[in-house]
Amino acid sequence: GENVGLHLPTLSVQEGDNSIINCAYSNSASDYFIWYKQESGKGPQFIIDIRSNMDKRQGQRVTVLLNKTVKHLSLQIAATQPGDSAVYFCAENLRSNDYKLSFGAGTTVTVRA
Amino acid sequence: DGGITQSPKYLFRKEGQNVTLSCEQNLNHDAMYWYRQDPGQGLRLIYYSQIVNDFQKGDIAEGYSVSREKKESFPLTVTSAQKNPTAFYLCASSPGLDHNEQYFGPGTRLTVT
Repeated sequence: GENVGLHLPTLSVQEGDNSIINCAYSNSASDYFIWYKQESGKGPQFIIDIRSNMDKRQGQRVTVLLNKTVKHLSLQIAATQPGDSAVYFCAENLRSNDYKLSFGAGTTVTVRA
Repeated sequence: DGGITQSPKYLFRKEGQNVTLSCEQNLNHDAMYWYRQDPGQGLRLIYYSQIVNDFQKGDIAEGYSVSREKKESFPLTVTSAQKNPTAFYLCASSPGLDHNEQYFGPGTRLTVT
């Protein structure tokens, strides 16, 4: 079933601005979260992950924030570029002893030149 | 060149025929997965395998079958019992339970007419 969801299905961003993509999850027992980027006609690409014992993790131009109190996950992309245009999915691992991930429906990010 | 390969990229079949989609990985990952993606939607889990010679049903296993005879390979058969087989099929693999980030192949777009 759908345990994760994204607040907005689409996001339009000006090139050079920062992007924030949000995700709400409902299972307070989830202990692992991942963000993926999917370009048209391709498989999802791993961006960054975070475990529930952390509230922030940074990668190259990306930051993931986890707020367990309100069960909210966000992906921040700094200085958004045209190549960032894609669909972004959040996913959660519902149980620590389970391999399965539950995916949200995705947010389509369009970067305006 | 390590990664996950899926073949073919596009596949066309007549209704009533079984078809097998290939997925191979040379990442030495224990776990492998099959997902289905319909237009504008997220990923739904069909089957997954945590180890060779073992696999479990996902959320939408009806009309599909899999095998895991080798660690590197996890083929998916779409049978004639699957009522709406036209979709984008994605294979993924992950290292194991403590490292559950899943890495995806490029996908196979199956069209059944």
